[in-house]
Amino acid sequence: NAGVTQTPKFQVLKTGQSMTLQCAQDMNHNSMYWYRQDPGMGLRLIYYSASEGTTDKGEVPNGYNVSRLNKREFSLRLESAAPSQTSVYFCASSGGLYSGNTIYFGEGSWLTVV
Amino acid sequence: SQQGEEDPQALSIQEGENATMNCSYKTSINNLQWYRQNSGRGLVHLILIRSNEREKHSGRLRVTLDTSKKSSSLLITASRAADTASYFCATLNGGNNDMRFGAGTRLTVKP
Repeated sequence: NAGVTQTPKFQVLKTGQSMTLQCAQDMNHNSMYWYRQDPGMGLRLIYYSASEGTTDKGEVPNGYNVSRLNKREFSLRLESAAPSQTSVYFCASSGGLYSGNTIYFGEGSWLTVV
Repeated sequence: SQQGEEDPQALSIQEGENATMNCSYKTSINNLQWYRQNSGRGLVHLILIRSNEREKHSGRLRVTLDTSKKSSSLLITASRAADTASYFCATLNGGNNDMRFGAGTRLTVKP
């Protein structure tokens, strides 16, 4: 059981380049999330998808777009990367938070924008 | 803004001692969860406490919740070097699936 799988693990981008972070979960979860983690800032929610076909902005959505491709997959796109987007990105999924289900995280994607 | 805020930011103890971390939050909650993160890894769920519960145990973990003070604490008893990690509390933001995390407490357990 792979859980939450995200790719790539590491990426270096030049300012202005675009890229997509891929995420897939095999737990049949309804909800999926993208967080970024910066030193001393904890995790900040970028976007989430409560169910297939829906997406909502989190705390820091500017500069990002997301696509809930199907129930399994939730991608995060940086259209024009900026140095401020250098961070560790985590994808996560959950069966449903109101039911008390917990969040399962991927192992992270380290992104550097130069 | 972050929903949960952990205190202290960093904690260093000797193996065998107890470690206590606190979390404060701002709005009403359905439940509060604690997560652990080893360096360079994703977060792993430790324990969940519902808003109608006051205390919960899981192995060496003890979590308390005081909804009147909007605060929670995580106690790790008889700590081990392997407990060295960052610990985060998390709560739902409002009435949706928007889960917010605090900045975490970095725990170092010295052997």
